[in-house]
Amino acid sequence: GMPVEQNPPALSLYEGADSGLRCNFSTTMKSVQWFQQNHRGRLITLFYLAQGTKENGRLKSTFNSKERYSTLHIKDAQLEDSGTYFCASLQGGRALIFGTGTTVSVSP
Amino acid sequence: DPKIIQKPKYLVAVTGSEKILICEQYLGHNAMYWYRQSAKKPLEFMFSYSYQKLMDNQTASSRFQPQSSKKNHLDLQITALKPDDSATYFCASSPSTGGTEVFFGKGTRLTVV
Repeated sequence: GMPVEQNPPALSLYEGADSGLRCNFSTTMKSVQWFQQNHRGRLITLFYLAQGTKENGRLKSTFNSKERYSTLHIKDAQLEDSGTYFCASLQGGRALIFGTGTTVSVSP
Repeated sequence: DPKIIQKPKYLVAVTGSEKILICEQYLGHNAMYWYRQSAKKPLEFMFSYSYQKLMDNQTASSRFQPQSSKKNHLDLQITALKPDDSATYFCASSPSTGGTEVFFGKGTRLTVV
């Protein structure tokens, strides 16, 4: 299977809702990065984690290398949170491999 | 103030022509990469360089050739362009090739007509 799988593929939220995205790895990874890609195609780095949990405003991410997964939690969703979210992790220690993506749509 | 500069931002090319995508990074990183993204699909890894030497190549076609004239430059030459080459090409860099955060440029959107 894919080395990095994300779910769900798509997520529809109302403003103010909380939700989570998950990234599963086929093998043990050293670190994970989360990105948001906006409607203009710009890739915005959200988090880099080698372990544990990080928070930034309404976003929170956790990385469990042993259990081979990472999560991204969105709290109090806003319209600007719409976009495609990618997780990515190093494969073979050299190249960042991207997940399949989760398209998030936030509506009023 | 962007630290990874990609030029041009948009590029339209004729089938069969050759183009060079420019990438410069001012982060003092030793590793640089090229990624390709077609139609909002996941970014696909193409090449990685470390200290100006090729480390990994996941591109099947020899029409894609990275060129590193300086440590902080990694250009991408594409020859005999095809419509299927239309995509956004992202340049990236990191302090080293193992276990560090990777930083991305804004991309060059290439359209081959």
